[in-house]
Amino acid sequence: AQSVTQLGSHVSVSEGALVLLRCNYSSSVPPYLFWYVQYPNQGLQLLLKYTTGATLVKGINGFEAEFKKSETSFHLTKPSAHMSDAAEYFCAVRASGGYQKVTFGTGTKLQVIP
Amino acid sequence: GAGVSQSPSNKVTEKGKDVELRCDPISGHTALYWYRQRLGQGLEFLIYFQGNSAPDKSGLPSDRFSAERTGESVSTLTIQRTQQEDSAVYLCASSTRERAGGDYGYTFGSGTRLTVV
Repeated sequence: AQSVTQLGSHVSVSEGALVLLRCNYSSSVPPYLFWYVQYPNQGLQLLLKYTTGATLVKGINGFEAEFKKSETSFHLTKPSAHMSDAAEYFCAVRASGGYQKVTFGTGTKLQVIP
Repeated sequence: GAGVSQSPSNKVTEKGKDVELRCDPISGHTALYWYRQRLGQGLEFLIYFQGNSAPDKSGLPSDRFSAERTGESVSTLTIQRTQQEDSAVYLCASSTRERAGGDYGYTFGSGTRLTVV
């Protein structure tokens, strides 16, 4: 069984400020972890993923996330927020190995203030 | 096709009517998933198809919901006797075979927005 908890359903940052979206997971086996982004009136798209190897993963649009097994976390960061980053972000987890469904968090809406 | 295609993009139906939603996955993607996203909420897993294996139906909320998939292609999600609480965006996603050291995540369609009035 696996689950994902996203802390904060809404996060506001000023343009140019650090973006930090928190995600903690629970998984009985080594996890694969994902961040998806949903822009207004659009479908979800994969932002970045961790499967194996390097624990710091880089995604599109300057985002990155670090897998910390000891903290069961996979927080999403970006050094400097841009207005175009305003969207809803979903953290997701699935068990590694074979075909497993992905479990999504409830999402965090990011607002960027000019 | 180039992406996951869902139809219709919008559907308004009267309470009690049946609806059928369609998903065309990316060619070659063996896994197909349906999720539901209610307004202001996260994604709720409904059903998962993988090749010829028995589908994982554990997320279907009631026996009014059913889904089929023809081989590794088109899938249809059917909701019978629709209720107002069925109003949501229904998302389909597909994924390719997992390879050693990597999983390519899902590719989502744009969804079908279902409104039950």
